[in-house]
Amino acid sequence: HLQLQESGPGLVKPSETLSLTCSVSGASITSDSTYWGWLRRPPGKGLEWIASVYYNGHTYFNPSLKSRVAISVDSSKRQFSLNLTSVTAADTAVYYCARHDTELYNYFDPWGQGTLISVSP
Amino acid sequence: SYVLTQPPSVSVAPGQTARITCGGDFGTNTVHWYQQKPGQAPILVLYDDTVRPSGVPERFSGSSSGNTATLTISRVEAGDEADYFCQTLGHSETDLAVFGPGTQVTVL
Repeated sequence: HLQLQESGPGLVKPSETLSLTCSVSGASITSDSTYWGWLRRPPGKGLEWIASVYYNGHTYFNPSLKSRVAISVDSSKRQFSLNLTSVTAADTAVYYCARHDTELYNYFDPWGQGTLISVSP
Repeated sequence: SYVLTQPPSVSVAPGQTARITCGGDFGTNTVHWYQQKPGQAPILVLYDDTVRPSGVPERFSGSSSGNTATLTISRVEAGDEADYFCQTLGHSETDLAVFGPGTQVTVL
């Protein structure tokens, strides 16, 4: 069955770029009609969608984050990645990757276990 | 920006029914619901307003009418204690996902 696993640095300094990778197993990353998404949950706050990518490189972004976000796919490695530039303390969160069903219903399932990213000097 | 509303918290005794509402201008879009327990990843418990993914107990059901979608948990168990989030499509063609602020369900 489909499984996703995030990897990241754990700690990032303010103004730097956060880079995260999600490894996909149990299904093809080039599946038709399947996007791959990044989401996050800051401490004490709710869930926020960041961006989603298709295997051919087509992307969608949360308008509030679009200027700082890049998302890409490496099909040969069965991975997709997120770069978030100019991070601040407000970007401290647990970051999740997930399969994003956009063909019919537009939901996220399943999710990776998440990786905690702290932004601190 | 598009805002969904949820009650911050709902408390319910074991065996009783919990109802969690999600308010918004949904138009023709449907609502999906996620359960997140502390330290765990979110799990999809309902999609398309009323559909349970495989493995989700029948105690979880959903409805939607006008500007309100509702997640109902029947015969609540201690293991249902979690944060619950609704999600729908944003109002622009590229804003694919908006989440409600979440409801913390406490089992008394």
